[in-house]
Amino acid sequence: DVHLEESGGTSKQPGGSLRLSCEASGFTFSSFSMNWVRQAPGKGLEWVAYINKNGETTYYADSLEGRFIISRDNAKNSLYLQINRLRANDTAVYYCTRDLLLPTGRLCDSWGQGTLVTVSS
Amino acid sequence: QSVLIQPPSASGTPGQKVTISCSGSGSNVGKNPVTWYQQHPGAAPRPLIFNFNQRPSGVPERFSGSKSDTSASLAISDLQSEDGAHYFCAAWDDRLSGYVFGGGTQVTVL
Repeated sequence: DVHLEESGGTSKQPGGSLRLSCEASGFTFSSFSMNWVRQAPGKGLEWVAYINKNGETTYYADSLEGRFIISRDNAKNSLYLQINRLRANDTAVYYCTRDLLLPTGRLCDSWGQGTLVTVSS
Repeated sequence: QSVLIQPPSASGTPGQKVTISCSGSGSNVGKNPVTWYQQHPGAAPRPLIFNFNQRPSGVPERFSGSKSDTSASLAISDLQSEDGAHYFCAAWDDRLSGYVFGGGTQVTVL
């Protein structure tokens, strides 16, 4: 079974930095692109970033203003998200998702349970 | 403001049919398959419908999807108490090079 487990969520002050991790198992990690998706408390889902199979291509949501960096280590079956210059509105549950590519399109087909990031002074 | 537009709420009694809409544009729903997700409180979203109208294993046939131009719909037939949850639509957006989501629809089983 596909399993994604996020970690690294914690409480931080505005302006700080944080690195989230996602450990994957149950599938060949290096064969799939991956995403981070976040959900602020009581709000909807917001896509954050995408990284392709070998890590050479990345895409980010425009709203992030260059503060986020997605990366991966295929040897460790792990996905990462570095968040710099934290803001209060970065407070959210961050989900790691597997990207499934079909002939007709793509979707986030598997999700971890999420890790909570709280930004507050 | 979410890129894909959904009604904030929908409701029905057990056994009824509920339909949720998702309105997008030519760069997302008009061009790429829509995925529908179900999310119960405190849980991660799980895909219900993908690739226009396919269901992952374990998803009841009561859930079905459709699409017309830049709009998509999720139908829940024979509504059950366990269907009370939030439902989100999503699609890849070719112009933004990323996924866009709807704001979510809270389905209440009366």
